[in-house]
Amino acid sequence: AQTVTQSQPEMSVQEAETVTLSCTYDTSESDYYLFWYKQPPSRQMILVIRQEAYKQQNATENRFSVNFQKAAKSFSLKISDSQLGDAAMYFCAYSMASGSRLTFGEGTQLTVNP
Amino acid sequence: DTGVSQNPRHKITKRGQNVTFRCDPISEHNRLYWYRQTLGQGPEFLTYFQNEAQLEKSRLLSDRFSAERPKGSFSTLEIQRTEQGDSAMYLCASSLGELGEKLFFGSGTQLSVL
Repeated sequence: AQTVTQSQPEMSVQEAETVTLSCTYDTSESDYYLFWYKQPPSRQMILVIRQEAYKQQNATENRFSVNFQKAAKSFSLKISDSQLGDAAMYFCAYSMASGSRLTFGEGTQLTVNP
Repeated sequence: DTGVSQNPRHKITKRGQNVTFRCDPISEHNRLYWYRQTLGQGPEFLTYFQNEAQLEKSRLLSDRFSAERPKGSFSTLEIQRTEQGDSAMYLCASSLGELGEKLFFGSGTQLSVL
């Protein structure tokens, strides 16, 4: 079974600084998808960034980028120029290539200090 | 695009009572998912529909849980004979049904069983 682990329950960053959130996963599949979702206090999960395992190039979305290490089964999220609105719970998630259900990690609560 | 709508936002019930939640997905989305999220944890997959067909159910979905999606539009999740362990946030998500694609989540229904 696929598992996703986020070893940092809480992280904090100063506004305008850079922070990296860690995620590791376990799978026997060679093709799959990885995601970072953000859950603000409004509770609505919002997709931050998505990575296809067959692509070697790391995904980027404006201030958000990932470091995807397939051999190490690691998928970290880097947030540059952190903003107060980035404060939220961040979840790493995995999806098999042959299906679309998501397996989520436990989450990392990010605090952004002014 | 009005997003995924879930009702009610909050539900308080007594142990042993039945409850029903409703999810209205984005209109053109043919896949609909139910997840359960307890405090401090990531969402856990419960079940999903492709149009009106329920294609997969998690072992977490006991016999007391039933989900329907008549006519492939809105979905309902019913919990019979609620237990205190059912207290959680129930999230609905929808998608177009392509592999590895973005899921759009609702804001959830928070269930408290007293």
